[in-house]
Amino acid sequence: EDKVVQSPLSLVVHEGDTVTLNCSYEVTNFRSLLWYKQEKKAPTFLFMLTSSGIEKKSGRLSSILDKKELFSILNITATQTGDSAVYLCAVVKKSSGDKLTFGTGTRLAVRP
Amino acid sequence: DTGVSQNPRHKITKRGQNVTFRCDPISEHNRLYWYRQTLGQGPEFLTYFQNEAQLEKSRLLSDRFSAERPKGSFSTLEIQRTEQGDSAMYLCASSSRDLYNEQFFGPGTRLTVL
Repeated sequence: EDKVVQSPLSLVVHEGDTVTLNCSYEVTNFRSLLWYKQEKKAPTFLFMLTSSGIEKKSGRLSSILDKKELFSILNITATQTGDSAVYLCAVVKKSSGDKLTFGTGTRLAVRP
Repeated sequence: DTGVSQNPRHKITKRGQNVTFRCDPISEHNRLYWYRQTLGQGPEFLTYFQNEAQLEKSRLLSDRFSAERPKGSFSTLEIQRTEQGDSAMYLCASSSRDLYNEQFFGPGTRLTVL
């Protein structure tokens, strides 16, 4: 059975801290891994990763994939209160019609 | 607003009633997905369409659930004889057919079954 496991489940930090969120997966015919941010509404897309070792970056957020060890990390530097959200990791399999298999998410709270 | 839209945003119903939700995808997207999300969990795949064809259904989609996309544009998800366990956020997403395209999510319909 396909599995996507995120850790930690929740995290509380102070503004300015750097955080690292983890996502490990066990799926057959892996194609890509996606990160989404979910506040009190729909998930919004952050990154899609398909190749190992290539960092994707957007402002203070960055992510990288390790296809050998089957995990990805999402880094957020200089956190702000607006980063408080649930961060979801999802994988896509080949020939799966692009359906997403999500982990349970990491709930991040950034305190002022 | 050219994003994915869903209606209604909230629905409260009594157990045993039927409910129907609507999703309007981004106009040029030919793939449309339905997911269900319960508290503290990530979204779970229910079904997806490519144009008007329903190509895959999850085992989660019992025979009380039916989805349609009659003209390859908007989609409806109907739940018959609702149960309390159906209470969840129902999310719709769309993507274009090109490979490696991300899915864009709508705001969701929150269903509460009393």
